[in-house]
Amino acid sequence: GNSVTQMEGPVTLSEEAFLTINCTYTATGYPSLFWYVQYPGEGLQLLLKATKADDKGSNKGFEATYRKETTSFHLEKGSVQVSDSAVYFCALSSGNTGKLIFGQGTTLQVKP
Amino acid sequence: NAGVTQTPKFQVLKTGQSMTLQCAQDMNHEYMSWYRQDPGMGLRLIHYSVGAGITDQGEVPNGYNVSRSTTEDFPLRLLSAAPSQTSVYFCASSQDRGDQPQHFGDGTRLSIL
Repeated sequence: GNSVTQMEGPVTLSEEAFLTINCTYTATGYPSLFWYVQYPGEGLQLLLKATKADDKGSNKGFEATYRKETTSFHLEKGSVQVSDSAVYFCALSSGNTGKLIFGQGTTLQVKP
Repeated sequence: NAGVTQTPKFQVLKTGQSMTLQCAQDMNHEYMSWYRQDPGMGLRLIHYSVGAGITDQGEVPNGYNVSRSTTEDFPLRLLSAAPSQTSVYFCASSQDRGDQPQHFGDGTRLSIL
């Protein structure tokens, strides 16, 4: 079946450091891929998405490229800020039902 | 525009009690779903609905019931609460295409004693 695997956290970085959070997936067909972010005490918010191979999603300085050959969708940001501290979830959706399959989440803590 | 509204935000139950978690959306979305979030396990799909009158099971449906009598509302019912159902519950809605992002409520933190 479909599945998503994220790198384990927590990830602790200093402000302005480079961020990579790895995400790989297993799926039949051509899924859409998403990164969601969850700030403390809140629900999940869409960060970015990509719907086909080689698409790059980007938002708020974050980027991720849909790599079908490596079944990956790694999240990157060139310079993190304290305000980026949150839990990040990689997810995939296949078919037209809209069902999401999530990775286990990666906690990011950015220190000043 | 309120988006997805969940009530209550917090609830404590005793084992065997029943309750309903409410979810409402005002975006006229066809697709609605319930997830539970547990430490180290991400979010897991409980039940979902692709439109009024249509519901289906997700990954972890046991112990939960749902109904979808209107487009706006998608309540989740626990008939006989168990400690294993202690979790944070999120409701989400989206357009009914797989490439559309889901909009999440702020969650209900449920503790079963």
